[in-house]
Amino acid sequence: GAVVSQHPSWVICKSGTSVKIECRSLDFQATTMFWYRQFPKQSLMLMATSNEGSKATYEQGVEKDKFLINHASLTLSTLTVTSAHPEDSSFYICSATGTDEKLFFGSGTQLSVL
Amino acid sequence: GQQLNQSPQSMFIQEGEDVSMNCTSSSIFNTWLWYKQDPGEGPVLLIALYKAGELTSNGRLTAQFGITRKDSFLNISASIPSDVGIYFCAGRTGGYQKVTFGTGTKLQVIP
Repeated sequence: GAVVSQHPSWVICKSGTSVKIECRSLDFQATTMFWYRQFPKQSLMLMATSNEGSKATYEQGVEKDKFLINHASLTLSTLTVTSAHPEDSSFYICSATGTDEKLFFGSGTQLSVL
Repeated sequence: GQQLNQSPQSMFIQEGEDVSMNCTSSSIFNTWLWYKQDPGEGPVLLIALYKAGELTSNGRLTAQFGITRKDSFLNISASIPSDVGIYFCAGRTGGYQKVTFGTGTKLQVIP
């Protein structure tokens, strides 16, 4: 299957700092990528749809100024958590659609804000 | 956001037993996907279904796309310890549309 690379795998930061997470499609071009957030023992909740060359589409309740998404190329999307606070601590996962409509996920990033 | 109803929520089974879990929705989907997630990892795609009524296998795993396009099930035959994890169903309306996830089924296999 297609490979989606996400890093870092985990990050610990101080409250008030910004954190950038990268998501790359390694062997295919992804015009659309998706960012999810997952709390312990819960399902994945879609945060936003990242579109190459245009603004991201955010789900209701997700602050676009808090979670900045940039999809600068067909193989890279980034999520920046700005001015992170402890309540932003979570597991963040990106995904991308291959040519056969299958959705492939990155390995996730565990963010801990102190 | 919307979620699919997935059942059972969790299950304990003996190694060697077969397992069945299902997913239902009030909405119609054009694609159903089944994933397995291990702790601290991203979900891994197990099976993709594209047509109503489609039955697809991947080794010991079999999944079906319901006729009504509002449900799907996943069967695991002859379970083994490494089947432990959380299984998610996911539905999609179109090729590049967002995917809606089920609530997950946590599977525990007793050796």
